[in-house]
Amino acid sequence: GENVEQHPSTLSVQEGDSAVIKCTYSDSASNYFPWYKQELGKGPQLIIDIRSNVGEKKDQRIAVTLNKTAKHFSLHITETQPEDSAVYFCAASSENNNDMRFGAGTRLTVKP
Amino acid sequence: DVKVTQSSRYLVKRTGEKVFLECVQDMDHENMFWYRQDPGLGLRLIYFSYDVKMKEKGDIPEGYSVSREKKERFSLILESASTNQTSMYLCASSFGGKQYFGPGTRLTVT
Repeated sequence: GENVEQHPSTLSVQEGDSAVIKCTYSDSASNYFPWYKQELGKGPQLIIDIRSNVGEKKDQRIAVTLNKTAKHFSLHITETQPEDSAVYFCAASSENNNDMRFGAGTRLTVKP
Repeated sequence: DVKVTQSSRYLVKRTGEKVFLECVQDMDHENMFWYRQDPGLGLRLIYFSYDVKMKEKGDIPEGYSVSREKKERFSLILESASTNQTSMYLCASSFGGKQYFGPGTRLTVT
């Protein structure tokens, strides 16, 4: 089955700096890669996703890149703000979505 | 907006009790999921359901069962709660591959 590894487990940056979180996956059949943000006391919220037919997707300060050959994908947050502080999860699944597997999470802290 | 609600935010139960966790979604989604979340382990799939009365085991189904009698409601049942089931439980529904999560239930078994 799919195995998703996520690094780093914790990340601390200064406000305004960029943050990068990286994930690798094992199953070449995976073709959908979402990223979730979980704030304290809340459930994970989908913030951006990418499918295997594109290499990069951007939404304002957030971007995701995918390298299918190397089986890795990354989340990039630019101009970080304190409200970006949260736990971020990557995930991978095939088309039917019932086999989604999650990384262990990255706790991002943005210092003002 | 998709809304997934869970019956309790916090729950404390004793070892051996039968525990019901309820999840309701309001978007007519076919697929619903139950995960548990533990520090350093991410989200692990317990069970999912792709239709009323249909269910499939996930990665860690032992000690759990589920019920889906209506499309909008998916229940997780701990037949005899044990201390190693102390965790955060997250419900999700999905459409078009995107999963939408509820706020979670933090269950403590003493």
